[in-house]
Amino acid sequence: AQSVTQPDIHITVSEGASLELRCNYSYGATPYLFWYVQSPGQGLQLLLKYFSGDTLVQGIKGFEAEFKRSQSSFNLRKPSVHWSDAAEYFCAVGAYNQGGKLIFGQGTELSVKP
Amino acid sequence: GAVVSQHPSWVICKSGTSVKIECRSLDFQATTMFWYRQFPKQSLMLMATSNEGSKATYEQGVEKDKFLINHASLTLSTLTVTSAHPEDSSFYICSARDTKDRARRAFFGQGTRLTVV
Repeated sequence: AQSVTQPDIHITVSEGASLELRCNYSYGATPYLFWYVQSPGQGLQLLLKYFSGDTLVQGIKGFEAEFKRSQSSFNLRKPSVHWSDAAEYFCAVGAYNQGGKLIFGQGTELSVKP
Repeated sequence: GAVVSQHPSWVICKSGTSVKIECRSLDFQATTMFWYRQFPKQSLMLMATSNEGSKATYEQGVEKDKFLINHASLTLSTLTVTSAHPEDSSFYICSARDTKDRARRAFFGQGTRLTVV
C-alpha cells in the first residue's frame, strides 16, 4: 500500500540548533517527493521537491532534503533553525502519471525554543 | 510562481445549509484540481480529483452527493458541501496542476475553514 510516515509528531528545538525531520515512504512507482510547510490556519507552502537527479535537493528558507532510495526516506534538514520556522511540516509523495495527486504524511509539528 | 486562490478563507454556516468553496488558478490553466480535507491536528486526506469538463473522481469513503464538485472551466473548480452538519467542519484545501508545467507540480490554495453550527 502507498503510504508516507512521519515518525515524529512533535519536535522541539532551540533556536540556532540544527533540525532533521524524518519521512519514510512506501510507494510502488517511482516517487516524486515533496516537503510542505503549513502555518496555523494557512494553506501549504512548498519547501522543496525531488523528481530525479541529484538526491540532495535545496529548497527555500534554507531547507534541504536528501532522497535515499535504499532507505525509502526523504528527510528534511536545516542547519540553523529560526523562531519563524515553527509550523507544521508535511512530507508527501506522488507519481508522475498521477499529476498533482499526493499522499501526505501525518505531519510533524515543530516548536522552536528561544 | 503559480497562484491558486481559494474563496472564502473561512465560513460559518448553519446546520442543514449548503456552502460553496471556490478554487481558482489565477495565472495558469488547470485541467486537474484536487480537493483535500484536513481535520485538526491531522494530515490532509484527498477527497476527490476534479477534471475540467468531466465528472470528478472521488476517493473511497467520500460521499459524492454530499460533496459536489464542479470544474466548469480551466481556471475554476468548486466544492459544494450540501446539507452541512457539524461533523463536516474542517479545513478544506484545493490544489491545481498547471497543464503546461512539465514538472507536473500542483500548487495549493490557502484553504477554507468551514465551521457548521
